Amino acid sequence: GENVEQHPSTLSVQEGDSAVIKCTYSDSASNYFPWYKQELGKGPQLIIDIRSNVGEKKDQRIAVTLNKTAKHFSLHITETQPEDSAVYFCADTGTASKLTFGTGTRLQVTL
Amino acid sequence: SQTIHQWPATLVQPVGSPLSLECTVEGTSNPNLYWYRQAAGRGLQLLFYSVGIGQISSEVPQNLSASRPQDRQFILSSKKLLLSDSGFYLCAWSGGATGELFFGEGSRLTVL
Repeated sequence: GENVEQHPSTLSVQEGDSAVIKCTYSDSASNYFPWYKQELGKGPQLIIDIRSNVGEKKDQRIAVTLNKTAKHFSLHITETQPEDSAVYFCADTGTASKLTFGTGTRLQVTL
Repeated sequence: SQTIHQWPATLVQPVGSPLSLECTVEGTSNPNLYWYRQAAGRGLQLLFYSVGIGQISSEVPQNLSASRPQDRQFILSSKKLLLSDSGFYLCAWSGGATGELFFGEGSRLTVL
């Protein structure tokens, strides 16, 4: 992709509440939208992804939605737990077939 | 299973000194290899990627260079480090049909 904007940059929620992180992209050719979780001092790991032929995908407490018309996609975490605290990155890939990452969201789940 | 190793994990270097970060991938052949930099509190910036031995593409002009002497080895280098080279460097590989990126554990470089 060309440019990916991610909001918010920081997010604090209480344990058990939901967290939502949103990303917008500009490359209309983008067709793959992964989300990565990065714990402190470690490399990012893929947690969920979605392709352009579906609008929603869910994996237990994590879900991703995609709106291709509006060019935005979101990560939803329900029933948050302390171990969900991390930095989350969205990304997209367009005609260049290389991932372009958002600037990250630091999620803090408080007790 | 595939694994990716990156070292050293931490490095403190004076300005003007050389740099060499190494990354190797096991359990796969002909992977696409990437070097990313993550400045403090910022996102992931792609520095270099390689689709094969000796094939290196640079994404941003900079003080760094990359080499791929073997199929599963990717090296990030500099002849003279700058203060602005400080950051968290991540090696990654991809090669499956999904396009998923698999990251190493990262190398934290501090240039003083």
